[in-house]
Amino acid sequence: DVKVTQSSRYLVKRTGEKVFLECVQDMDHENMFWYRQDPGLGLRLIYFSYDVKMKEKGDIPEGYSVSREKKERFSLILESASTNQTSMYLCASLLAAGYEQYFGPGTRLTVT
Amino acid sequence: AQSVAQPEDQVNVAEGNPLTVKCTYSVSGNPYLFWYVQYPNRGLQFLLKYITGDNLVKGSYGFEAEFNKSQTSFHLKKPSALVSDSALYFCAVRAIYGQNFVFGPGTRLSVLP
Repeated sequence: DVKVTQSSRYLVKRTGEKVFLECVQDMDHENMFWYRQDPGLGLRLIYFSYDVKMKEKGDIPEGYSVSREKKERFSLILESASTNQTSMYLCASLLAAGYEQYFGPGTRLTVT
Repeated sequence: AQSVAQPEDQVNVAEGNPLTVKCTYSVSGNPYLFWYVQYPNRGLQFLLKYITGDNLVKGSYGFEAEFNKSQTSFHLKKPSALVSDSALYFCAVRAIYGQNFVFGPGTRLSVLP
């Protein structure tokens, strides 16, 4: 079974802090994604990566950056956290020749 | 541009009754379609997908979905609901020649005992 893990389930940070969210997948998938989930809005794509060191902006990249130095790891960075970034963050992976995404358990981030 | 609509925020059904969660989509060309379920404070779990072929697809936990190209719909169904089916359900679409997914806003299913 594919396993996608995220570094924290719950995280509380202060406004202005730099925040790192990490995601690791163990099935050699080429594609990895970061979403944020807010009630009534579904999942919105922040960034995705289709290869090591490659990244593409999604629908809401402002205030975020990403890093993919190794195939199995995809990091989301909040350079200066703000209260409007309080949300559930979900990581997913996808085999290039596959169809469905596999999701991690999510990180619920609260910025105070 | 791709889009997904789930017209009902909430669906309530009695245990043992059939359930339907609705989804309509818009995409250029032929779609790949998916249903995911999310239990509280968890990530999304894959339920089923339509890729090609038979319009009725069967998935995990007794769920099935019917692809209707003319109505651009992909409704999720189950013949007999369980209380444990209570969760948040997401429909998603992906264009055949792309890696990006678009998700609907989600429908909360409550199965009442």
